Amino acid sequence: EPEVTQTPSHQVTQMGQEVILRCVPISNHLYFYWYRQILGQKVEFLVSFYNNEISEKSEIFDDQFSVERPDGSNFTLKIRSTKLEDSAMYFCASRSQGSSGNTIYFGEGSWLTVV
Amino acid sequence: SQQGEEDPQALSIQEGENATMNCSYKTSINNLQWYRQNSGRGLVHLILIRSNEREKHSGRLRVTLDTSKKSSSLLITASRAADTASYFCATENQAGTALIFGKGTTLSVSS
Repeated sequence: EPEVTQTPSHQVTQMGQEVILRCVPISNHLYFYWYRQILGQKVEFLVSFYNNEISEKSEIFDDQFSVERPDGSNFTLKIRSTKLEDSAMYFCASRSQGSSGNTIYFGEGSWLTVV
Repeated sequence: SQQGEEDPQALSIQEGENATMNCSYKTSINNLQWYRQNSGRGLVHLILIRSNEREKHSGRLRVTLDTSKKSSSLLITASRAADTASYFCATENQAGTALIFGKGTTLSVSS
């Protein structure tokens, strides 16, 4: 079964450093998402992306965050200057169509620890 | 906020028992989805119920939706230890551009 893959699975970074989390969505999917989950808390929406632009972003997705689809397969989340509170599991997701009712498929996540 | 909110927050049962989790939401929806998350893992889609449906089954899962009460329930019948996980309901925002998740119910099934 096709799946969303994410790298790295775990990254430790110094506060203030830039981090790039990578995702390979399912190949025929057109809509892409990033979510985060702070340990023990709920899954929070960050951003959705379609047709090479951001469709929607949450309040969490401030100027420190950016997303990019640099080629036909990768979808990246960049955190420009990490803060301690950015420590979380970051999930990438994708779905084939934007119409309501299509399943969103999630990757296994990238665990980011900021020290 | 459109977010679904589940209750209970935590549920502990014995193998073979049924587990019922509830979700409430605030705005009108096109559909409601349930996801499962094993500890430290990604989210796995379980079932989707559309706003014009009242009940849906998938294996040992039964989902109901009451749009008048803005609530849904997920029933897992004949639970197994492998069902131990967190369960989240999710609704789409009005623009249809994102799924918004509730806080989840942590289910523990002991053998």
